[in-house]
Amino acid sequence: EVQLLESGGGLVQPGGSLRLSCAASGFTFSNYAMNWVRQAPGKGLESVSTINTNGFETYYADSVKGRFTISRDNSKNTLYLQMNSLRAEDTATYFCAKDHIAGNGRFDGCDVWGQGTVVTVSS
Amino acid sequence: DIQLTQSPSSLSASVGDRVTITCRASQSISTYLNWYQQKPGKAPRLLIYGASSLQSGVPSSFSGSGSGTDFTLTISSLQPEDFATYYCQEIYGDPPLTFGGGTKVEIK
Repeated sequence: EVQLLESGGGLVQPGGSLRLSCAASGFTFSNYAMNWVRQAPGKGLESVSTINTNGFETYYADSVKGRFTISRDNSKNTLYLQMNSLRAEDTATYFCAKDHIAGNGRFDGCDVWGQGTVVTVSS
Repeated sequence: DIQLTQSPSSLSASVGDRVTITCRASQSISTYLNWYQQKPGKAPRLLIYGASSLQSGVPSSFSGSGSGTDFTLTISSLQPEDFATYYCQEIYGDPPLTFGGGTKVEIK
């Protein structure tokens, strides 16, 4: 069964840091781009960051650029999101999501999602 | 950046109704559009990819159409389990891939 399991969320003060992890199983992790998507309470979906299969191409929403870093360890089938200089507006559920199609050189949206991990930024 | 505008933002419908949701892109995106369903407290679920292709396991009551800037998600006969929020997402260019604002389908 294809699964994604996020961890690392929690309560952090403004200006603080958190590192989210996403453990993947049931598919060849190294063949797929991966994504972090967030959803603030009562709001819609926002693409936060995307990484290609080998980790050499990374993309960020303007709202997190310079503060968040996406990475992956294909030997551990794990995706990461390092979040620094956190702000109240970063409060959200963060979903890890697998790209839909492997090996076509494109980014195709998300066909498998984790259950989400909640990040709360508050003093 | 590509902007996606969904309409309506919410609708009320009855079981058995035909429901149509639209998504308009700020520029032509060919058929590079996905649709997702999200229920409260759950992760989104991919329904339609490439504007009109049904994802595996999704009921055939869901269909998608459109190209260029105007797209439609149709539920041919609304079922109780279909009450949810629906999002479109463009997959045209490089990430971040924009989502529409969402359409909440509620019970009338």
